[in-house]
Amino acid sequence: QQQVKQSPQSLIVQKGGISIINCAYENTAFDYFPWYQQFPGKGPALLIAIRPDVSEKKEGRFTISFNKSAKQFSLHIMDSQPGDSATYFCAASNSGGSNYKLTFGKGTLLTVNP
Amino acid sequence: EAGVAQSPRYKIIEKRQSVAFWCNPISGHATLYWYQQILGQGPKLLIQFQNNGVVDDSQLPKDRFSAERLKGVDSTLKIQPAKLEDSAVYLCASSPDLLYGTTYEQYFGPGTRLTVT
Repeated sequence: QQQVKQSPQSLIVQKGGISIINCAYENTAFDYFPWYQQFPGKGPALLIAIRPDVSEKKEGRFTISFNKSAKQFSLHIMDSQPGDSATYFCAASNSGGSNYKLTFGKGTLLTVNP
Repeated sequence: EAGVAQSPRYKIIEKRQSVAFWCNPISGHATLYWYQQILGQGPKLLIQFQNNGVVDDSQLPKDRFSAERLKGVDSTLKIQPAKLEDSAVYLCASSPDLLYGTTYEQYFGPGTRLTVT
């Protein structure tokens, strides 16, 4: 059972455009929602994260929007740049558990054309 | 600050052979994770260590996979015997002590790409 569903699978955006990636979760015990960025040949790196006590978090060009009632969260990349081309993973975990285990989505391959 | 180190970076073996991967976490990080990332999918946790104790190995195929973290620092993940479906990138990650950390951030290494033929 996939607990975190991510869409779209791939996304092509023009330079300067907005990239939007969506995730939905099922487990209501999840209370930490990070986004990871992965370049080819590299491990994932934390980009931005949110907890359900806020509906939005912004860091530079990256924004997470969170809808607790719909059990959905999304990543918005404003003014997308070719250097943003990478695979993006959403994830979720339950801090009430003993191990903060992360459950990842399947990833979105973002291509930003110059 | 040095990142998470993994070796080898690439490995090609035949099915039924054995293979071992090594991970050295960021200095001072008490928690160490091994993930399996199959092409086109997100990382899946195989095992988590807190110091040298296992916290979660519920998704580790214990009939063929084993892992250890002696002395609570570096770790080894072994597959014996390997199957074709084990072809994947094996990622190691570490994070600060769960008792004292204020963040859940996991720092990932570059991974080991395993191809089983």
